[in-house]
Amino acid sequence: GESVGLHLPTLSVQEGDNSIINCAYSNSASDYFIWYKQESGKGPQFIIDIRSNMDKRQGQRVTVLLNKTVKHLSLQIAATQPGDSAVYFCAENTPVGQNFVFGPGTRLSVLP
Amino acid sequence: AAGVIQSPRHLIKEKRETATLKCYPIPRHDTVYWYQQGPGQDPQFLISFYEKMQSDKGSIPDRFSAQQFSDYHSELNMSSLELGDSALYFCASSTHLGTGELFFGEGSRLTVL
Repeated sequence: GESVGLHLPTLSVQEGDNSIINCAYSNSASDYFIWYKQESGKGPQFIIDIRSNMDKRQGQRVTVLLNKTVKHLSLQIAATQPGDSAVYFCAENTPVGQNFVFGPGTRLSVLP
Repeated sequence: AAGVIQSPRHLIKEKRETATLKCYPIPRHDTVYWYQQGPGQDPQFLISFYEKMQSDKGSIPDRFSAQQFSDYHSELNMSSLELGDSALYFCASSTHLGTGELFFGEGSRLTVL
């Protein structure tokens, strides 16, 4: 994935508000997508996934939207909590690839 | 539930030395992936194995090699270490080759001095 180095895009939201994190993926052939949450010094943690035959999938407090036309993925977090503060990555997988490609992360900061 | 186990968690080496990182996948997972993550960067895919055979190769330097053993654990061997190799190295495992969720370990932090 394209790296933004030390200057991660940052999204700051008030506790209780909804958060929307966006991701533009690179390969139109990608058919499976995962959102990961990564806290400092820890491994990426699965949040929610979606396959290309769907455009929306909901989990507990999270919703993923997929727009294949513009190769765009978004993660919506409802009622954002302090524990949601982390870096969020989208990852894509293609039918022929045997790995997941990560997009640049977004740092979510939840303000009290 | 058992997770992906990586060792060591922290490793400090000098330039030109070698290092070996180990990964124990979740039981019954047959696929292992290695990723490298520099400070503030997204994880970069290095290499993956399925049923003990290399399945895909990413941006892994020629100085690095890896393998998956009969018990499905994997080792990443890094030689002639450079300062730029300092990073977090993550291992992930899954049940299906490229079609299922990747479960990540907590990572091994390599510091090259």
